[in-house]
Amino acid sequence: NAGVMQNPRHLVRRRGQEARLRCSPMKGHSHVYWYRQLPEEGLKFMVYLQKENIIDESGMPKERFSAEFPKEGPSILRIQQVVRGDSAAYFCASSPNLGSNYEQYFGPGTRLTVT
Amino acid sequence: QQQVKQSPQSLIVQKGGISIINCAYENTAFDYFPWYQQFPGKGPALLIAIRPDVSEKKEGRFTISFNKSAKQFSLHIMDSQPGDSATYFCAASKTSGSRLTFGEGTQLTVNP
Repeated sequence: NAGVMQNPRHLVRRRGQEARLRCSPMKGHSHVYWYRQLPEEGLKFMVYLQKENIIDESGMPKERFSAEFPKEGPSILRIQQVVRGDSAAYFCASSPNLGSNYEQYFGPGTRLTVT
Repeated sequence: QQQVKQSPQSLIVQKGGISIINCAYENTAFDYFPWYQQFPGKGPALLIAIRPDVSEKKEGRFTISFNKSAKQFSLHIMDSQPGDSATYFCAASKTSGSRLTFGEGTQLTVNP
């Protein structure tokens, strides 16, 4: 059973470009969470999605950031017009959220560098 | 009220010693408390988790102690090994599957 997959692992973008980060959850998991980790800091929640639904986006910046989890395919975190402050590691986690099992399993992350 | 405070920020332990990391929370609605281990360049890996209906949970060398009245919980690593050197994060959430609120992390170094 493959773990949470994220790609690309490393992404370099110039200021003003768009960044697209992809996350495929573990098999059997239909809930995806995105977190951001700035250098030397802890993880901060961004958004929680189920298939075709955004459940909680209270951690998402109001502008330039969006996320989706379509019926088919991976979840995508999209950052438009990137700025240097967007440089960070972006992790997604998946969970089955069934019964009493709410454990979140993390992917390896995408390290975004904005030049 | 959503914060989780973690200490110490860094910890150095000799091989074979006990590593202790502490966390405190404020939101009484939290009822799921996991610990994650993260190596440089990797994603956080779930180590062990506890719910407030028990005061202690042990898995191998890792033990969580939970004090509901004090709103504190801690991770104990017994017989610490150099391979345990990593950053450890405590977290908290509501068991309804909502987001995790993480502590600031503790960088553990176990000297050989």
